[in-house]
Amino acid sequence: ILNVEQSPQSLHVQEGDSTNFTCSFPSSNFYALHWYRWETAKSPEALFVMTLNGDEKKKGRISATLNTKEGYSYLYIKGSQPEDSATYLCAFLNSGGSNYKLTFGKGTLLTVNP
Amino acid sequence: IAGITQAPTSQILAAGRRMTLRCTQDMRHNAMYWYRQDLGLGLRLIHYSNTAGTTGKGEVPDGYSVSRANTDDFPLTLASAVPSQTSVYFCASSDSKGTTQYFGPGTRLTVL
Repeated sequence: ILNVEQSPQSLHVQEGDSTNFTCSFPSSNFYALHWYRWETAKSPEALFVMTLNGDEKKKGRISATLNTKEGYSYLYIKGSQPEDSATYLCAFLNSGGSNYKLTFGKGTLLTVNP
Repeated sequence: IAGITQAPTSQILAAGRRMTLRCTQDMRHNAMYWYRQDLGLGLRLIHYSNTAGTTGKGEVPDGYSVSRANTDDFPLTLASAVPSQTSVYFCASSDSKGTTQYFGPGTRLTVL
């Protein structure tokens, strides 16, 4: 079983604050790293798929970086808004064989207070 | 149909009963997946299928079976439900290896 760790488990910030959280994954046999946003009572929705070391992706106020050599990715949210409140999941895909299986972290629960 | 759908939305089931959760996608994605979501454990993969006609075991396959007779459908069957299978089940699909997975709305299953 592959080990994908996310920290912190939960985070409370005030509206307007910028924040970031971490995803750690195995540094060997890397194929892709996914970030998903999961609002309560909804389904996970894709934010980014990252494949290259040094990748930086951006979507509005949310951005992510990737370091495959040391096995971590950061997700940043600039100027948090209450609607950003959600669980943010990362998921690792290794390069072994033809399997398409993602291994998910347990997520970081972000609460943005107005 | 737009995207990926699951049925039923929720179900209460007596232990020992057989149950099939349905999942259909209209995106012509090659790969499909079943996950269960449990508090404190995150999303765990039950079974997956890379392409029609093939299936594979995920992290927690015991007590579940799947079939992939065609591209669009990927049913998950609990042959004899047990209370530990109480969970929220998500189906997902993706076009190919490494690409975005699209999730269905989930099925909340309670086994009594």
